[in-house]
Amino acid sequence: DVKVTQSSRYLVKRTGEKVFLECVQDMDHENMFWYRQDPGLGLRLIYFSYDVKMKEKGDIPEGYSVSREKKERFSLILESASTNQTSMYLCASGFRGAFFGQGTRLTVV
Amino acid sequence: EDQVTQSPEALRLQEGESSSLNCSYTVSGLRGLFWYRQDPGKGPEFLFTLYSAGEEKEKERLKATLTKKESFLHITAPKPEDSATYLCAGGGFGNEKLTFGTGTRLTIIP
Repeated sequence: DVKVTQSSRYLVKRTGEKVFLECVQDMDHENMFWYRQDPGLGLRLIYFSYDVKMKEKGDIPEGYSVSREKKERFSLILESASTNQTSMYLCASGFRGAFFGQGTRLTVV
Repeated sequence: EDQVTQSPEALRLQEGESSSLNCSYTVSGLRGLFWYRQDPGKGPEFLFTLYSAGEEKEKERLKATLTKKESFLHITAPKPEDSATYLCAGGGFGNEKLTFGTGTRLTIIP
């Protein structure tokens, strides 16, 4: 079975903090994705990567950056967390990102 | 711009009462229509990918079908454990990403 693991299920951070969300996949997938999910808005793509050190902006990249130093690991970085970044963050990997992690519920206070 | 619309937003059924969920899409050069199940507080769980009109796939009480404009997720004789939000998403030609609908929240009443 494909396994996509996100480092935390729940996080609480303060406004202005730098936040790292980590995602690891064990299926040697080239493509990895970061989404956020908000009620009524559905899943929105933040960034994706189709190879190591390669990244592309999704629909809502503002306030975020990403890092992919190794094929299996894709990190989402909130440079300076704000309250409007409180959300469920989902990592996915595989063909068009078919396989999702369990999600990280981030609260920024 | 690619768009995926799901209906209804919410559906309540009695246990055993069959029904269908709808996913309408306008995706340029569709290269895959995906269905997921999502339980509260968890990530989406992959169910099916459909690639061409007329294709059907089944898993237990679920069957997904695809036409040129929409996909249906048919649920036959549902049980309470089928309660979840069902998401569909489309992937277009030359585009690595998926466009998601906002989901149908399905509740099966015992």
